Amino acid sequence: DIQMTQSPSSLSASVGDRVTITCQASQDISNYLNWYQQKPGKAPKLLIYDASNLETGVPSRFSGSGSGTDFTFTISSLQPEDIATYYCQQYDNLLITFGQGTRLEIK
Amino acid sequence: QVQLQESGPGLVKPSETLSLTCTVSGGSISSYYWSWIRQPPGKGLEWIGYIYYSGSTNYNPSLKSRVTISVDTSKNQFSLKLSSVTAADTAVYYCARSTVDTAMAYHYWGQGTLVTVSS
Repeated sequence: DIQMTQSPSSLSASVGDRVTITCQASQDISNYLNWYQQKPGKAPKLLIYDASNLETGVPSRFSGSGSGTDFTFTISSLQPEDIATYYCQQYDNLLITFGQGTRLEIK
Repeated sequence: QVQLQESGPGLVKPSETLSLTCTVSGGSISSYYWSWIRQPPGKGLEWIGYIYYSGSTNYNPSLKSRVTISVDTSKNQFSLKLSSVTAADTAVYYCARSTVDTAMAYHYWGQGTLVTVSS
């Protein structure tokens, strides 16, 4: 089974900062990597699919990149409403795995 | 607009079977993959398994021996059964829809339902 290592597990940043979260797969997953935002008490919301495609309606300050085993999720200018936990999710060989999550807080 | 709604008992006794149903509205259950995902209180997301509208399934290897996911296209519903539950199965259970051409990304989610395993 493919393991996803997401880092950091938590992050504190200021409004306007550039924020980066990484996900590393234990083996090559091509671009089968998606990113979600989850706010307390709510279902996760898809932000990025296929590693770098922005979901419809998601602000352009969110972006994703990478392929193979190393992936990056970026918020170009942190906004107060971006406070949430972020998860990566991979799909390979018919199975799905989520990363452990990154809790993002405002400094 | 596609909407998903989980339903089922909020309390299940240890060793019994957890049963949940997801009702899909605003679109057909055909031509998509339908998943169950859970989240223990204060913890991360865990994929349980998915079913294609035709009935083919794939399950998380760690849960495979206890999980059954089925689909009823006539009712636009799919269901989860998890047997021999313990306190470790206490979680918010989500149903969600994905497509294989977007890396099985979950574009639509239910609101989630908390299931507590306790006597």
